Amino acid sequence: DAGVTQSPTHLIKTRGQQVTLRCSPKSGHDTVSWYQQALGQGPQFIFQYYEEEERQRGNFPDRFSGHQFPNYSSELNVNALLLGDSALYLCASSLVAGRTNNSPLHFGNGTRLTVT
Amino acid sequence: GENVEQHPSTLSVQEGDSAVIKCTYSDSASNYFPWYKQELGKGPQLIIDIRSNVGEKKDQRIAVTLNKTAKHFSLHITETQPEDSAVYFCAASRGSSGNTGKLIFGQGTTLQVKP
Repeated sequence: DAGVTQSPTHLIKTRGQQVTLRCSPKSGHDTVSWYQQALGQGPQFIFQYYEEEERQRGNFPDRFSGHQFPNYSSELNVNALLLGDSALYLCASSLVAGRTNNSPLHFGNGTRLTVT
Repeated sequence: GENVEQHPSTLSVQEGDSAVIKCTYSDSASNYFPWYKQELGKGPQLIIDIRSNVGEKKDQRIAVTLNKTAKHFSLHITETQPEDSAVYFCAASRGSSGNTGKLIFGQGTTLQVKP
């Protein structure tokens, strides 16, 4: 049973460039959330996608956008990269449909983005 | 705003001793409290979670307690082993209709278990 997979594992970009990160949720999951984790900090919520729509968004600028595909996989796009965007980007999946209790989030190993 | 405070930031114990990590949350509507373990180079791994209608939950050497009145929750690890060494994060959310939604994480506790 495959867990959450993210690609690429590492990425180096230059200021001003654009980047796309990819995530495949755990088998059977329908919801994907993205988090940014700066070095030595806890993850910070970027946004959540469910039924191919952005359902909730954290305190991140419009440069951060996303997409969810019919197979539940997701992309995170960041435009006009800043040095401060250097971080570990984590994808987490969960199963929402048909549940009444809070659905546990399962995280991937992340994409390490370095902006120079 | 929503905030989760976690203490201590670092914790060193001898193998076999117990470890306790404490968190305080600000959003009184929070109803779900997971704990994650993160090893170097990996993503956070869920180790235990508790919902607001429960005061305590145990899974082998790991237990979590929740005090909703004080807005505190704690992680207890007994009989620690070197492989328990990692960074631990607490989190809180106000999910509804089965959707956990946004997790607010604490700042993390680096646990070192000395053999």
